[in-house]
Amino acid sequence: ETGVTQTPRHLVMGMTNKKSLKCEQHLGHNAMYWYKQSAKKPLELMFVYNFKEQTENNSVPSRFSPECPNSSHLFLHLHTLQPEDSALYLCASSQERRAYGYTFGSGTRLTVV
Amino acid sequence: QQQVKQSPQSLIVQKGGISIINCAYENTAFDYFPWYQQFPGKGPALLIAIRPDVSEKKEGRFTISFNKSAKQFSLHIMDSQPGDSATYFCAASSGKLTFGTGTRLQVTL
Repeated sequence: ETGVTQTPRHLVMGMTNKKSLKCEQHLGHNAMYWYKQSAKKPLELMFVYNFKEQTENNSVPSRFSPECPNSSHLFLHLHTLQPEDSALYLCASSQERRAYGYTFGSGTRLTVV
Repeated sequence: QQQVKQSPQSLIVQKGGISIINCAYENTAFDYFPWYQQFPGKGPALLIAIRPDVSEKKEGRFTISFNKSAKQFSLHIMDSQPGDSATYFCAASSGKLTFGTGTRLQVTL
């Protein structure tokens, strides 16, 4: 496989559930990102990892917990979410943190009920 | 505060027509201006990008026009086709991408 792969593609979870989103990139990139995409809003950068180290957390609520075990894998652990957290969650990667070419995955469509 | 303002929110163009999407920015530190195309069920994909040292960049039917003094840039899609129907996002970067709100383009037959 090539590019950025996200699983699952769709996820429905209750507010008391715990689930995880997975992102894997096969591009040899060193920086990975989580974005939230909601209707009629700009893409919101959530977290940035560079060489497995978290370099940015844009005031994201603690119910979202990222994990980056290596430069190829990125997880987003979810717990006690709210209905307003329903959105498309996109993973992206780039050669390095200040690189300009981002490659996005297809996203996970999350619905919180 | 939205750093990149994009308009229109939606656009309907007839096949063969020209689609124009506009963006404006405030931060003069931005030095890279990409456009992303997103089809339903897919993530955004880089379409074309420009640096502020040139005023225009063309790739096939897609052209970016850049006005540094006005802090504005636009995407022109010539000879628009139904397959161009997608959501288009402008963005600006000084190492971190800031996105516009997106324009949903529909090209009708």
